[in-house]
Amino acid sequence: AQSVTQLDSQVPVFEEAPVELRCNYSSSVSVYLFWYVQYPNQGLQLLLKYLSGSTLVKGINGFEAEFNKSQTSFHLRKPSVHISDTAEYFCAVSDGDTGGFKTIFGAGTRLFVKA
Amino acid sequence: NAGVTQTPKFRVLKTGQSMTLLCAQDMNHEYMYWYRQDPGMGLRLIHYSVGEGTTAKGEVPDGYNVSRLKKQNFLLGLESAAPSQTSVYFCATNLQSYTEAFFGQGTRLTVV
Repeated sequence: AQSVTQLDSQVPVFEEAPVELRCNYSSSVSVYLFWYVQYPNQGLQLLLKYLSGSTLVKGINGFEAEFNKSQTSFHLRKPSVHISDTAEYFCAVSDGDTGGFKTIFGAGTRLFVKA
Repeated sequence: NAGVTQTPKFRVLKTGQSMTLLCAQDMNHEYMYWYRQDPGMGLRLIHYSVGEGTTAKGEVPDGYNVSRLKKQNFLLGLESAAPSQTSVYFCATNLQSYTEAFFGQGTRLTVV
């Protein structure tokens, strides 16, 4: 069965500093990987996704993530964060190959950007 | 184009009461999901549907039932609410399991 582990529950960082939010997954088959962002009192929005091809994926708002199959990781990075990036970030995995149609989410990482 | 709409947005129930949460989508998506979000636990899948007339259990289905009589609607029912069901409930849809999921704004449910 697939699972997702987000290694940090909270990440405080100063404005304009770089940030990395870590995500590891487990699955016995090929997977599709996603990062979503949730702003306060809102639903989730897609930041970026990895389906196949290049392991470096670029998303909205300057975020990018790198798929590492050998380490089963999909870490999210941004070189310079803004106050407006303060939100909760969720890593998710979906295994379409086995006929399963479920997307499983990690527990989330709260990013606090300080002035 | 409303996307994914959840009703109601807030509700307070007494233990043992029943209620139905409605999710409506105008995106013509086949797949629909109900998740609950609890602090420190992320989103956990309750039930999902891969098309009209079909439903399946997710990670935490106990205490909930669902129906998908029409493609655009996915209903989540609580027959006898318990305090452990206090949570924020999100509906989501996508075209395929590996495509972007679109979420509703959430329903904040408190069971007292």
